[in-house]
Amino acid sequence: GESVGLHLPTLSVQEGDNSIINCAYSNSASDYFIWYKQESGKGPQFIIDIRSNMDKRQGQRVTVLLNKTVKHLSLQIAATQPGDSAVYFCAEKAGGGNKLTFGTGTQLKVEL
Amino acid sequence: GAVVSQHPSRVICKSGTSVKIECRSLDFQATTMFWYRQFPKQSLMLMATSNEGSKATYEQGVEKDKFLINHASLTLSTLTVTSAHPEDSSFYICSASLRDRNAEAFFGQGTRLTVV
Repeated sequence: GESVGLHLPTLSVQEGDNSIINCAYSNSASDYFIWYKQESGKGPQFIIDIRSNMDKRQGQRVTVLLNKTVKHLSLQIAATQPGDSAVYFCAEKAGGGNKLTFGTGTQLKVEL
Repeated sequence: GAVVSQHPSRVICKSGTSVKIECRSLDFQATTMFWYRQFPKQSLMLMATSNEGSKATYEQGVEKDKFLINHASLTLSTLTVTSAHPEDSSFYICSASLRDRNAEAFFGQGTRLTVV
């Protein structure tokens, strides 16, 4: 089956702390994963991606970890800033197509 | 990254009328465009995939006669919500990419539709 979002979990962190946002995916055929950031009233914004032949990828202040064994994806944000407050979605693509399936999403709130 | 422009950003319409939402790729030719619907505090749900010059492929449960999609050129796709009802009120988002399955998808800023 596909991941369908019905609820929006919230993660609250203090400014300067590291954030870890988790995502469980259900399609074992998925081979490409992307993290998006969505601010209120806006479209999703690309953050970082990873292919299934990797288990870790780093960007600027962000790291994505992929565990295919348990079908788990995480996004780590270092030194979280108020501007990081948004909803974060993981998305996956399965082999043979270019459709994206979005995960539930996590609301990240950064407290000063 | 490439820019995808969606218009209008907000629209209010009366029940029974039709509303057209435009999605334009401004600096690249998008062979594939996707339309999503998003309810408050929920995820993006894919409605349909449109490839330039061919009919859109709708996801299960999406009424193709109600949500008309036209992808007439490599830079423009339109979504028309026909005979709109209050339950059609939602946030509609498009994305555009090249046909290559490895191509990145670029998202528009979304359209908030309110049907009264």
